[in-house]
Amino acid sequence: GAVVSQHPSRVICKSGTSVKIECRSLDFQATTMFWYRQFPKQSLMLMATSNEGSKATYEQGVEKDKFLINHASLTLSTLTVTSAHPEDSSFYICSALAGGPYEQYFGPGTRLTVT
Amino acid sequence: GNSVTQMEGPVTLSEEAFLTINCTYTATGYPSLFWYVQYPGEGLQLLLKATKADDKGSNKGFEATYRKETTSFHLEKGSVQVSDSAVYFCALSNETYNTDKLIFGTGTRLQVFP
Repeated sequence: GAVVSQHPSRVICKSGTSVKIECRSLDFQATTMFWYRQFPKQSLMLMATSNEGSKATYEQGVEKDKFLINHASLTLSTLTVTSAHPEDSSFYICSALAGGPYEQYFGPGTRLTVT
Repeated sequence: GNSVTQMEGPVTLSEEAFLTINCTYTATGYPSLFWYVQYPGEGLQLLLKATKADDKGSNKGFEATYRKETTSFHLEKGSVQVSDSAVYFCALSNETYNTDKLIFGTGTRLQVFP
């Protein structure tokens, strides 16, 4: 099946710094990728839809200047958490949309801890 | 708006027991319904799906039937195995294929003991 990877799998950063998370579709091209955030004991919350070659579409309440998304190629989308704060600590998961049959393939997630 | 409600876990079962994880939804129109599974340390995987009322999705011994009258999509398996231990997510989207946004439930952790 289609494989999506995320890097890093976990990261610890200090308050005020920025951290970049990569999402790659390893064996297929994805024009659309999604970024989710998962809080402990809560459901996945869609943050934004990332389209290759165009600006991401953010969900209501998600700060686009804080969570920068770049989908520069058909196999790579990046999420940069800028000026991170402890409340940004969370599990971030991406998914990539395959060409057909349309199905989202999920990455294993990235655990971000901001100290 | 659209939402998914699923039972809180953890669900703890002995091997070969019968499994039911309840899922109900609220949605406009005709959503598609999904069950995803997340094994420890791995990403979410699509387990099964149903795109219209009365459809039954099935895979790996799991099944769920799209019940429009009760707005439910309960997950069942007749005989669970230790290897089924994972977190199960019910989800919906309002497109025939899940090209559109997925709305997830909170997830239910299943623990199966030998």
